Amino acid sequence: AQSVTQLDSHVSVSEGTPVLLRCNYSSSYSPSLFWYVQHPNKGLQLLLKYTSAATLVKGINGFEAEFKKSETSFHLTKPSAHMSDAAEYFCVVSDPRYSTLTFGKGTMLLVSP
Amino acid sequence: EPEVTQTPSHQVTQMGQEVILRCVPISNHLYFYWYRQILGQKVEFLVSFYNNEISEKSEIFDDQFSVERPDGSNFTLKIRSTKLEDSAMYFCASSERDSSYGYTFGSGTRLTVV
Repeated sequence: AQSVTQLDSHVSVSEGTPVLLRCNYSSSYSPSLFWYVQHPNKGLQLLLKYTSAATLVKGINGFEAEFKKSETSFHLTKPSAHMSDAAEYFCVVSDPRYSTLTFGKGTMLLVSP
Repeated sequence: EPEVTQTPSHQVTQMGQEVILRCVPISNHLYFYWYRQILGQKVEFLVSFYNNEISEKSEIFDDQFSVERPDGSNFTLKIRSTKLEDSAMYFCASSERDSSYGYTFGSGTRLTVV
């Protein structure tokens, strides 16, 4: 079975400061990993994905994530937060044996001026 | 950029009524999915659909639920007799290949059962 743990339900940062959203996963096979973002009253937008190529993955809007197999982690980072980054972020794992995605509970990112 | 389109964006229905949620996946995608998110809870898998049949379904997807691709462009989710606990945001998604490449999600339909 596969699972995803997002360690923080809420993260608060000030505009211009770094962002770190933590994610740990469990999967029996080599997983694919994703980060999705959901702005209020909007759908789920793919930020970035890891599919067994480079371990440091760059996504949209300046976000990136590093796949660390030894730590079973896939933390999301951004050097400098912007007000428009305020949203809920979901870490997601895909097991290649199945057609489904398993979502974490989400982390709400709050950005203050 | 291609989008997955869902209609309606909001639906209010009375308990026991049938609802149909509609989705137009991206045209060259072959895999289709429904997920739901009950308020305050995780996004949960409901069903996947490939080659005109269900390929996987979760425990949530019981006999009250059905999916259909009636005309080669639309992908619908039907709930036959809605219950209060069916109130959720329902997301449609599609992908060109399997799940390891990620999906494109629609903006969701918020279903409220009263």
